[in-house]
Amino acid sequence: EAGVAQSPRYKIIEKRQSVAFWCNPISGHATLYWYQQILGQGPKLLIQFQNNGVVDDSQLPKDRFSAERLKGVDSTLKIQPAKLEDSAVYLCASSRTSGRWAETQYFGPGTRLLVL
Amino acid sequence: KQEVTQIPAALSVPEGENLVLNCSFTDSAIYNLQWFRQDPGKGLTSLLLIQSSQREQTSGRLNASLDKSSGRSTLYIAASQPGDSATYLCAVMEYGNKLVFGAGTILRVKS
Repeated sequence: EAGVAQSPRYKIIEKRQSVAFWCNPISGHATLYWYQQILGQGPKLLIQFQNNGVVDDSQLPKDRFSAERLKGVDSTLKIQPAKLEDSAVYLCASSRTSGRWAETQYFGPGTRLLVL
Repeated sequence: KQEVTQIPAALSVPEGENLVLNCSFTDSAIYNLQWFRQDPGKGLTSLLLIQSSQREQTSGRLNASLDKSSGRSTLYIAASQPGDSATYLCAVMEYGNKLVFGAGTILRVKS
């Protein structure tokens, strides 16, 4: 079974530029998560999708971050414009569902973003 | 709001030593607790998952315990090896399949 795929693996941009990350979850997984991990901290959930609907985006900085999951499969996370404090690893994860019962999340390798 | 704390932040031990990593959480309304391993430049690998009704889980040289009432978990690593060097993350799962992570313990095992 293929795991969660992410691209690119690394990205370097200047502040005020825009950037987009892509995630392909495990086949058949209805729930997709984007996490931000700043150096020295644990991952923080940015947004959670159930199929193509948003379940939780309470920690997403909506003035500059946006995410979509068209057709309930792949997802893109965009930052526009980027700030220095956005430098982090962006992790994508997926699970079969996210109902009342706990489901294991499977993580991708992450995209490391450096904003100069 | 759930908060997860891991102690120590970093640990350096000689090869062969037994060691304990600590995790505490503020809200006991959790479904489970997981310990993850993170290697530089890589994603997260799940090591052990303890359901809220369980007290401990074991996998090889790893043993994790959970005391839900006191909001604590420990990860015990026996006979540490240089290959165990990594960052270890503790996470609790809340309603809605939401994971809340600690900041991690950076472990270095010296040969």
